[in-house]
Amino acid sequence: DVKVTQSSRYLVKRTGEKVFLECVQDMDHENMFWYRQDPGLGLRLIYFSYDVKMKEKGDIPEGYSVSREKKERFSLILESASTNQTSMYLCASRHRGRVGTDTQYFGPGTRLTVL
Amino acid sequence: DAKTTQPPSMDCAEGRAANLPCNHSTISGNEYVYWYRQIHSQGPQYIIHGLKNNETNEMASLIITEDRKSSTLILPHATLRDTAVYYCIVISADSWGKLQFGAGTQVVVTP
Repeated sequence: DVKVTQSSRYLVKRTGEKVFLECVQDMDHENMFWYRQDPGLGLRLIYFSYDVKMKEKGDIPEGYSVSREKKERFSLILESASTNQTSMYLCASRHRGRVGTDTQYFGPGTRLTVL
Repeated sequence: DAKTTQPPSMDCAEGRAANLPCNHSTISGNEYVYWYRQIHSQGPQYIIHGLKNNETNEMASLIITEDRKSSTLILPHATLRDTAVYYCIVISADSWGKLQFGAGTQVVVTP
């Protein structure tokens, strides 16, 4: 059974703190993604990674950075958390295969609250 | 990627088939139809996808019209655990992978 895990389901942090969100997949997938999901705004891509040590900005990268040192792990870093980063954060992974294989597998999500 | 239109909500009785429509009238030839769902407070879950032929797997069936401008996701025997928001999206074959969900259809399965 495929699995994407995220380090925390719920997290509460204070403004200005550095926050690390970890994502691990056990499917040997090359591609990994970080999204945030907010009511009325849908799913928005923050960063993605094609493979180890590779990263690309998504639609809303400001205030975030990422790290992919190992194939199975993709970390999202909030350098200095702000209240507008309160959100549900979703990690996903995908096998880089033939066309039409765009299936992404998601983790359970981390609900982050920044006070 | 082509836009999709789905009804905002629908109810379904437990044990009955749920038929979820999706319009994608601007779909182009190399775009696939994908369905995901999201149960409350969980991450999205892939259900099924197709290009032009009907598809079936252990979760659902996907019926795509001949002109490919619309499709229907069928949950053959809905259970209470199928209560979720269902998203229909269209993805180009050469897409690099970003998913964008619309508002989806909130499906409530009732006993």
